[in-house]
Amino acid sequence: QVQLVQSGSELRKPGASVKVSCKASGYTFTSHVMSWVRQAPGQGLEWIGWINVNTGTPTFAQGFTGRFVFSVDTSVATAYLQISSLKTEDTAVYYCARVTDTAMITDYWGQGTLVTVSS
Amino acid sequence: SYELTQPPSVSVSPGQTASISCSGDKLEKKYTFWYQQRPGQSPLLVMYQDDKRPSGIPERFSGSNSGNSATLTISGTQPMDAADYYCQTWDSGTAIFGGGTSLTVL
Repeated sequence: QVQLVQSGSELRKPGASVKVSCKASGYTFTSHVMSWVRQAPGQGLEWIGWINVNTGTPTFAQGFTGRFVFSVDTSVATAYLQISSLKTEDTAVYYCARVTDTAMITDYWGQGTLVTVSS
Repeated sequence: SYELTQPPSVSVSPGQTASISCSGDKLEKKYTFWYQQRPGQSPLLVMYQDDKRPSGIPERFSGSNSGNSATLTISGTQPMDAADYYCQTWDSGTAIFGGGTSLTVL
């Protein structure tokens, strides 16, 4: 069965960096796109962007260019989200989610990773 | 930029029909997707491409999309359906989420 297992919670100070991982299993990793979505405490879902796992090409939503980086390691079927120069407003649960790139269906989600940015 | 608007909350009595709306400019020309999120859990896809139910989603969930509005309908609502529901579409290759609707079943 398809599974996306994310790394554990992180606590960082403002200005630091964090890298969240998302390990995929149960399907051919390179045949789907991986989206990243965040949810601030008590707030709604916000799309950060996605990465074409096959080509490594990223696409970012407005407001998420510069400090956010997507990467993949196909040898271990894992996608990564790195955020640099963290701000307190980056505190959120970050989700990876599989997207079928032809039908654009986001069908499986990771369990989420809480990133807390606090001094 | 494209926006989707949802009512913040909807209330329904058990066994009744709940309708959650999602509005956007000419939304009927795009596919709409719906996610259910229970407290402390990840979102779960409950409807895709306007009116298609993923495997495992109960038949009481249905969807439609016409004009500027898409609707998720839950017939015979059960207490377990209480959750936040988000609509989503794609615009120029980017995903757009609605603000979410909290469904209360009481």
